[in-house]
Amino acid sequence: EAGVAQSPRYKIIEKRQSVAFWCNPISGHATLYWYQQILGQGPKLLIQFQNNGVVDDSQLPKDRFSAERLKGVDSTLKIQPAKLEDSAVYLCASSLSGEQPQHFGDGTRLSIL
Amino acid sequence: EDQVTQSPEALRLQEGESSSLNCSYTVSGLRGLFWYRQDPGKGPEFLFTLYSAGEEKEKERLKATLTKKESFLHITAPKPEDSATYLCAVQLSGNTPLVFGKGTRLSVIA
Repeated sequence: EAGVAQSPRYKIIEKRQSVAFWCNPISGHATLYWYQQILGQGPKLLIQFQNNGVVDDSQLPKDRFSAERLKGVDSTLKIQPAKLEDSAVYLCASSLSGEQPQHFGDGTRLSIL
Repeated sequence: EDQVTQSPEALRLQEGESSSLNCSYTVSGLRGLFWYRQDPGKGPEFLFTLYSAGEEKEKERLKATLTKKESFLHITAPKPEDSATYLCAVQLSGNTPLVFGKGTRLSVIA
């Protein structure tokens, strides 16, 4: 079974620029999550989708972050404009449902200069 | 206030030296507690889910246990390949987010 795919693996941008990350979940997984993991911390949920609908985006900084999951399969997360404090690893995870264990991709490491 | 606290922050063991990692939580109405392993540059890898006090689960050299206030991850006779960061997370209900602790960085020295 193929795992959660994410790209790119690394991204370096300057502050105030924009960036986008892509995630393809495990086939058949209805629930998709985006997490932010700052060095030395556990992952923090940004947004949760159930199929193509948003379940929880309460911790998403909506003035600069946006995410979509058109067609209920793959998803993109965008940051515009980026700030220095956005430097982190952005992890995508998927699960069969909200009650099942989440399986993570290897993330995108974002560095803001 | 942190809902999930893991200790110690870092642990260094000799190969074969058994030990335990702790995850304490302050939430009420816990639906499930999850343990993950994370290697450098990788995403977290699912290990266990525990649902009720007294429950235990095992996988190779790892055993996870759960009480009403905390969970332990016991590592028996660890090997260098067990070196990783171990994360625990709690979930309050079926469709609520996982809340992660900061993790314990485990180093096993040959």
